[in-house]
Amino acid sequence: QKEVEQDPGPLSVPEGAIVSLNCTYSNSAFQYFMWYRQYSRKGPELLMYTYSSGNKEDGRFTAQVDKSSKYISLFIRDSQPSDSATYLCALPGFGNEKLTFGTGTRLTIIP
Amino acid sequence: DAGITQSPRHKVTETGTPVTLRCHQTENHRYMYWYRQDPGHGLRLIHYSYGVKDTDKGEVSDGYSVSRSKTEDFLLTLESATSSQTSVYFCAISGSTDTQYFGPGTRLTVL
Repeated sequence: QKEVEQDPGPLSVPEGAIVSLNCTYSNSAFQYFMWYRQYSRKGPELLMYTYSSGNKEDGRFTAQVDKSSKYISLFIRDSQPSDSATYLCALPGFGNEKLTFGTGTRLTIIP
Repeated sequence: DAGITQSPRHKVTETGTPVTLRCHQTENHRYMYWYRQDPGHGLRLIHYSYGVKDTDKGEVSDGYSVSRSKTEDFLLTLESATSSQTSVYFCAISGSTDTQYFGPGTRLTVL
């Protein structure tokens, strides 16, 4: 079993829809959770970072962590064509110097 | 891209030839990483460095070596390139052991 599982998609939704992106993980020792966004032919960029269970909101983006289920989600409200990208979850391991990435979900927002 | 450059940005080479990719940072960050990104596999860590001359292996290190003689430069060498090493290579840096910032990537094709 992979440490982090993520549905690769692709996922296509109409503009304005709410998008839900998800990852599951197997190691309960993970304490911090990140989402990266990667535009086509670019490097990943950090989108959100959360330490604890519950929700963290940043504009149209909400990161949700359920440690009891080992499940993390990223919600995008009022999705825009500029949100079209691949979204990767990332979990720091012991000592935090290494990240374990999900495979990424490719998202397309249709105008 | 957080003061990170990668060179070359594109390279085509032949099987059996040595290849060196360079990552240069202007942030004076302690940690530097090399990843490869392939469809279906996401980002996989090849090698990383936690200081000058201090390096360690990642999950896909076979066939690769690294060197870090200065804080700002991290070199990735493919000793004898194979077609399975055709990929997009990303360098990342981190100052605080968890958040990583990525470079623009190098597209390598091994014929």
